[in-house]
Amino acid sequence: GQNIDQPTEMTATEGAIVQINCTYQTSGFNGLFWYQQHAGEAPTFLSYNVLDGLEEKGRFSSFLSRSKGYSYLLLKELQMKDSASYLCAVLDSNYQLIWGAGTKLIIKP
Amino acid sequence: GAGVSQSPSNKVTEKGKDVELRCDPISGHTALYWYRQRLGQGLEFLIYFQGNSAPDKSGLPSDRFSAERTGESVSTLTIQRTQQEDSAVYLCASSLEAGGPSEQYFGPGTRLTVT
Repeated sequence: GQNIDQPTEMTATEGAIVQINCTYQTSGFNGLFWYQQHAGEAPTFLSYNVLDGLEEKGRFSSFLSRSKGYSYLLLKELQMKDSASYLCAVLDSNYQLIWGAGTKLIIKP
Repeated sequence: GAGVSQSPSNKVTEKGKDVELRCDPISGHTALYWYRQRLGQGLEFLIYFQGNSAPDKSGLPSDRFSAERTGESVSTLTIQRTQQEDSAVYLCASSLEAGGPSEQYFGPGTRLTVT
């Protein structure tokens, strides 16, 4: 079967750095997405990786290793507004997006 | 332009009744997705439409669920004989095309409560 694993919840301190990991086992791979979802709101796109390596976008970076079936989202200089759930999703061989359950990130002052 | 819109934003219905949820995608987006999200859980794929192709209904949980889309515009998700287990937020998303790196743009969702 297809599986996306992420930690359920993480806690970090304002101004610090946090890394949210995602491992996947899917039938094929056509890219990996990270989305942010604030409580009670719809998910919004953060990043897309299809090649190995690190993609940096401001305070957020996303890393992919296809051989390891592994990705992480790195958030720097954490702000209180970064408190949200972060969803990892993989595009499988049928171009269907398989979603992880999300990681709830709690930022403390 | 406007983003994805959904209506109603909230719907409370009695068990056994039918409900219809509506989604207006972003103009020009050929792909449209429906998801279900139960409280504290991830997104559960229900169905997607790509242009005039036959929809992928592989995620629909039972034959009580159906969806239609007219061309590349509005879509409706219908749940017949609602059950309490259907209570969730129903999210609609659209993208320029299905598959590939096209990001999905989500609507605000419809919160369905079945009493």
